[in-house]
Amino acid sequence: SQQGEEDPQALSIQEGENATMNCSYKTSINNLQWYRQNSGRGLVHLILIRSNEREKHSGRLRVTLDTSKKSSSLLITASRAADTASYFCATEGYNDYKLSFGAGTTVTVRA
Amino acid sequence: GAGVSQSPSNKVTEKGKDVELRCDPISGHTALYWYRQSLGQGLEFLIYFQGNSAPDKSGLPSDRFSAERTGGSVSTLTIQRTQQEDSAVYLCASSLGTGDEQFFGPGTRLTVL
Repeated sequence: SQQGEEDPQALSIQEGENATMNCSYKTSINNLQWYRQNSGRGLVHLILIRSNEREKHSGRLRVTLDTSKKSSSLLITASRAADTASYFCATEGYNDYKLSFGAGTTVTVRA
Repeated sequence: GAGVSQSPSNKVTEKGKDVELRCDPISGHTALYWYRQSLGQGLEFLIYFQGNSAPDKSGLPSDRFSAERTGGSVSTLTIQRTQQEDSAVYLCASSLGTGDEQFFGPGTRLTVL
């Protein structure tokens, strides 16, 4: 079963613009991980944020976590055509090690 | 270092045949996971191995599915008497330990005719 829900389902932006996508989940978590997937194959790990963290950065990526609202956001700044992909959030629950994935956000960056 | 590798990358089989999918985790990672991704079900957990502990098989959809991990490293997922609904991309991941980043392999695309 899927715990996370991403919003929006699809996003189309111009190169250079920022892209923001949100993830909501239902149960308490140990951590939340964001992944990128190109062409329906392997998942590329982007960022892991733990339940006691509120914000993390990695290059042009910024992730926030609000455990009171059970939500997270992924911001991609200064987008590039190469950022075109599907983005998934995945949650790991307390005393649970398996990831529960959302349905993903499809991001298209127009040149 | 090398990432997670999986083989074969693609597998086409006939309904009723058995298939074996292989996963080589990142060296030194104690945890190994199998997931599958299909159009109708999204990404779903199948099975988890951690060190010498008994595997968590709670995500396996039927008793036709089984997996083993030999020597705490390579894992094989076996699907017996394949059905068309087994068609999916099977993804393997490994992590240093529980609660750490899970790194995924490129997947095996299984097509059951």
